[in-house]
Amino acid sequence: DIQMTQSPSTLSASVGDRVTITCRASQSVSPYLAWYQQKPGKAPKVLIYMASTLESGVPSRFSGSGSGTEFTLTISSLQPDDFATYYCQQYKSYWTFGQGTKVEIK
Amino acid sequence: EEQLVESGGGLIQPGGSLRLSCEASGFTFITYAIDWVRQAPGKGLEWVSAISGRRNNTYYADSVKGRFTISRDNSKNTVYLQMNSLRDEDTAVYYCTRDSGEHAFDPWGQGTRVTVSS
Repeated sequence: DIQMTQSPSTLSASVGDRVTITCRASQSVSPYLAWYQQKPGKAPKVLIYMASTLESGVPSRFSGSGSGTEFTLTISSLQPDDFATYYCQQYKSYWTFGQGTKVEIK
Repeated sequence: EEQLVESGGGLIQPGGSLRLSCEASGFTFITYAIDWVRQAPGKGLEWVSAISGRRNNTYYADSVKGRFTISRDNSKNTVYLQMNSLRDEDTAVYYCTRDSGEHAFDPWGQGTRVTVSS
């Protein structure tokens, strides 16, 4: 089974900050890596798929990069609507989520 | 609009059974795999089960293998998750989602809550 490890688990940031979340896989999952945003009481929403492709309608301040076993989600300038929990997911071999990163207001 | 709507959740005693439904609309249902993902209270996302589109191949997480059964009725655009021998640790919100290939899991339903408790 492929394990996914996200860091950090919690991130405190201010509006306007540049934020980076890291996701590491136990083996190569390229390019089958997605990032989701989830707000309390809501279903997850895909932001990035195939490691770096921005989902239609998602603001361009979100970007994804990486390959092999290490991937990052970057928010270039954090906005009030971005305070949420973010999950990475590999879908190369079955499906596995990271444990999540909660982005909190500093 | 592409949409998934779950139903069937509720309160059930340990050892009991429950069947969840996921009704799809707005897309060609038979061409897509459908997955179930759950989220225990205050926890992260856990993939549970998947069923392919035309061939009805099924897949299960180790935590539910032998207890849960996924199936689909393409005439009703509906996927089912039959959950037997339920345990306290199965308590979660259960989401169904479309496996959109390269586009990963999109869209998602609103979720249905399952509580296993005596």
